Amino acid sequence: NAGVTQTPKFQVLKTGQSMTLQCAQDMNHEYMSWYRQDPGMGLRLIHYSVGAGITDQGEVPNGYNVSRSTTEDFPLRLLSAAPSQTSVYFCASSYGGDSVYEQYFGPGTRLTVT
Amino acid sequence: GDSVTQMEGPVTLSEEAFLTINCTYTATGYPSLFWYVQYPGEGLQLLLKATKADDKGSNKGFEATYRKETTSFHLEKGSVQVSDSAVYFCALRLSGGYQKVTFGTGTKLQVIP
Repeated sequence: NAGVTQTPKFQVLKTGQSMTLQCAQDMNHEYMSWYRQDPGMGLRLIHYSVGAGITDQGEVPNGYNVSRSTTEDFPLRLLSAAPSQTSVYFCASSYGGDSVYEQYFGPGTRLTVT
Repeated sequence: GDSVTQMEGPVTLSEEAFLTINCTYTATGYPSLFWYVQYPGEGLQLLLKATKADDKGSNKGFEATYRKETTSFHLEKGSVQVSDSAVYFCALRLSGGYQKVTFGTGTKLQVIP
């Protein structure tokens, strides 16, 4: 079991460039989420998905797109990078349903936008 | 809305000292409570959890008790080690379909030999 994997680990972009952060999980989890982590602010939810083909916005969705064509993959797209998107990005997954299950996190992608 | 407040860091302790990291919460429903730990350069991993009042979560010598009357979930360890140096996040999640996890801002712990 690889768990939750993310690529790349590090990325530097220029303002206005676009890119996709990859996330995959091999635990057959229904729920997947993207967070950003900024100093002194904890983790904030960007987008989430409750299953293949179903996505929704979190707290800070502006400037990001997601799609979920398979249970395993949940890529995050930055449409036109801005310095305010400099952050560490974490993907997480969990079982679905009405019970509360723990989330499993990937190792993160550290993004710098210049 | 829901929120989690945890003590500011960094916390610096000597090895074998007693650790307490305070966490209080507000929630619109009846949440499950979690402590996650983040080691340098890594993602978060679950340390312990509690799903109802008076439950005690424990793992690796860490403990936390779900106190509904004081809306608290303080993390404790009797004797810290250098390897416990990390950032600790308190979090809550409600039940009923997808519910976002609300995180505290994190408390950095440094244990010195």
